[in-house]
Amino acid sequence: QVQLVQSGAEVKKPGASVKVSCKASGYTFTSYGITWVRQAPGQGLEWMGWISVFNGNTNYTQKLQGRVTMTTDTSTSTAYMELRSLRSDDTAVYYCARRTNYYDSSSYYIGYGMDVWGQGTTVTVSS
Amino acid sequence: DIQLTQSPSFLSASVGDRVTITCRASQGVSSYLAWYQQKSGNAPKLLIYAASTLQSGVPSRFSGSGSGTEFTLTISSLQPEDFATYYCQQLNRGTFGQGTKLEIK
Repeated sequence: QVQLVQSGAEVKKPGASVKVSCKASGYTFTSYGITWVRQAPGQGLEWMGWISVFNGNTNYTQKLQGRVTMTTDTSTSTAYMELRSLRSDDTAVYYCARRTNYYDSSSYYIGYGMDVWGQGTTVTVSS
Repeated sequence: DIQLTQSPSFLSASVGDRVTITCRASQGVSSYLAWYQQKSGNAPKLLIYAASTLQSGVPSRFSGSGSGTEFTLTISSLQPEDFATYYCQQLNRGTFGQGTKLEIK
């Protein structure tokens, strides 16, 4: 079945880096994008950015520009999200999700949705 | 940046009720809006994309409407499994609304 399986929980000190993996299975990895979303404890969802697996193009939220890098390894169908210079407010559950583009009956692009999600990876930043 | 404001932030309702959640965008986003449901401790689930298209497998009691700056998510007859938090998302830069927590009255 179609699924995304993420790496395990991480505990990091402030200033360190973390790299979360997201392994896809059950579909053609290069035909979809991967989006990363995080959720701080008790808070809402925050879109971090996405990567086109097809060509490697990325689009990051302005808030994380310079600290986040999203990559993929098509040989293993795995996506990665690295966040550097960690701070306490980076403590959150990090989700990867498959980005699916949708088209109408005339093949006109009508938007995308995140239709398959990983189980989430808890990243705790604490001294 | 485009901001999304959901109302209400909290909603108390009973099984069988019809409920509507509103999402307002600070600028027009055409129909580039999606809705997600999140149950406690779980990953979100896509309900609706392109403002009004129901994702495959989602019950027909869910519906979405709107375009431009005002959108609604309606649940026609609440079921016990619908009590969750709902988020809208604009697709130009990915921003989410702050969420609407739907609780049992």
